[in-house]
Amino acid sequence: EIVLTQSPATLSLSPGERATLSCRASQTVSSYLAWYQQKPGQAPRLLIYDASNRATGIPARFSGSGSGTDFTLTISSLEPEDFAVYYCQQRNYAPTFGGGTKVEIK
Amino acid sequence: QVRVVESGGVVVQPGTSLRLSCAATGFTFSSHVMHWVRQAPGRRPEWVAAISPDGNNDDYAESVRGRFTISRDNSKNTVFLQMHSLRPEDSGVYFCARDQLQIWLCVGLLDSWGPGTLVTVSS
Repeated sequence: EIVLTQSPATLSLSPGERATLSCRASQTVSSYLAWYQQKPGQAPRLLIYDASNRATGIPARFSGSGSGTDFTLTISSLEPEDFAVYYCQQRNYAPTFGGGTKVEIK
Repeated sequence: QVRVVESGGVVVQPGTSLRLSCAATGFTFSSHVMHWVRQAPGRRPEWVAAISPDGNNDDYAESVRGRFTISRDNSKNTVFLQMHSLRPEDSGVYFCARDQLQIWLCVGLLDSWGPGTLVTVSS
């Protein structure tokens, strides 16, 4: 099983600040890495797929990078609606999710 | 508009069986891989199972292999999850999700999710 480790566990930032989230895989997942946003009581929502492709309707302030084992999700300027939990997920093998990063209001 | 809606979640006792359903609308259901993903409170999502567009291929997480079966009825735009020998650790919200992919290769690009249905396994 591919283990995905996300850091930090919690990110405390103010609206307008830049957020940088990390995801590291226990072995290479090529570029088959996605990022999801989840708000309380809701299903996850696909933001980025295949490391750097924005899903339909996702604002340009969300961007992804990386390949192999190290990946980054960047939110260039946080909007109030961006405060949520973010998960990475790989599909190079049987899908697995990371433990999540909570982006909270400072 | 793509929409998937799960149903069938209830409170059951350990060792019993349960079948979940997921109804899909707004897209060509028979062209897409479909998945079940579950999430216990406060935990990360856990992929459970996937089925190919024609229903001839499926795959499971090790934690449910041999106990759960995924199936689909393309004439009714519905995917099912049959669960046997349920355990307390199977409790959680079960999500149905569409895969953006239409081929059975490196599946798991989950672009549309339902709101989920809650399964509680408890005596």
